[in-house]
Amino acid sequence: DVKVTQSSRYLVKRTGEKVFLECVQDMDHENMFWYRQDPGLGLRLIYFSYDVKMKEKGDIPEGYSVSREKKERFSLILESASTNQTSMYLCASSPPATDTQYFGPGTRLTVL
Amino acid sequence: GENVEQHPSTLSVQEGDSAVIKCTYSDSASNYFPWYKQELGKGPQLIIDIRSNVGEKKDQRIAVTLNKTAKHFSLHITETQPEDSAVYFCAASRSGTASKLTFGTGTRLQVTL
Repeated sequence: DVKVTQSSRYLVKRTGEKVFLECVQDMDHENMFWYRQDPGLGLRLIYFSYDVKMKEKGDIPEGYSVSREKKERFSLILESASTNQTSMYLCASSPPATDTQYFGPGTRLTVL
Repeated sequence: GENVEQHPSTLSVQEGDSAVIKCTYSDSASNYFPWYKQELGKGPQLIIDIRSNVGEKKDQRIAVTLNKTAKHFSLHITETQPEDSAVYFCAASRSGTASKLTFGTGTRLQVTL
């Protein structure tokens, strides 16, 4: 069964803190994605990765960076968290040559 | 880039009635159109998808239609049940670009008894 896990369901951080959100998939998928979900805005792509050590910017990369050192793990990094980064963060993965994305349960991040 | 608009933002139907959610897209090169369902506390899950070489696809009580000329596609749920209550997202992409999906803003469907 497909499994995408995210390190935390809820996270509270202070403005200016460095924040790491971790995502792990156990399906040997090449492609991994980070989205943020906000009411009335749907899901917006932050970054994605086709392979280990490879990354590409999505539609809203400002204020974020990513790391993919191993195939199964894709990390989202907020170098200096700000209140406008309070949101639900969703990770997804997909195998090569297919379009279906499998999502994790999400991390609700609050930046105070 | 692609822009996907989704309507309505909320929809309330009585159990047993039908529900229709509509989306429009802007990029004529988009050829893959999935629908995702997000239940409370969970991540979105694919429920049905359609490609541009097909006009309609059905899976039990769920169907999706696509009008390429008008650049819109719709989700139809018949005989709605309480467990259909969720947020539904449409999306569009050019298949083959590692599934770089552009999502609509979501529709919260509530099925009342």
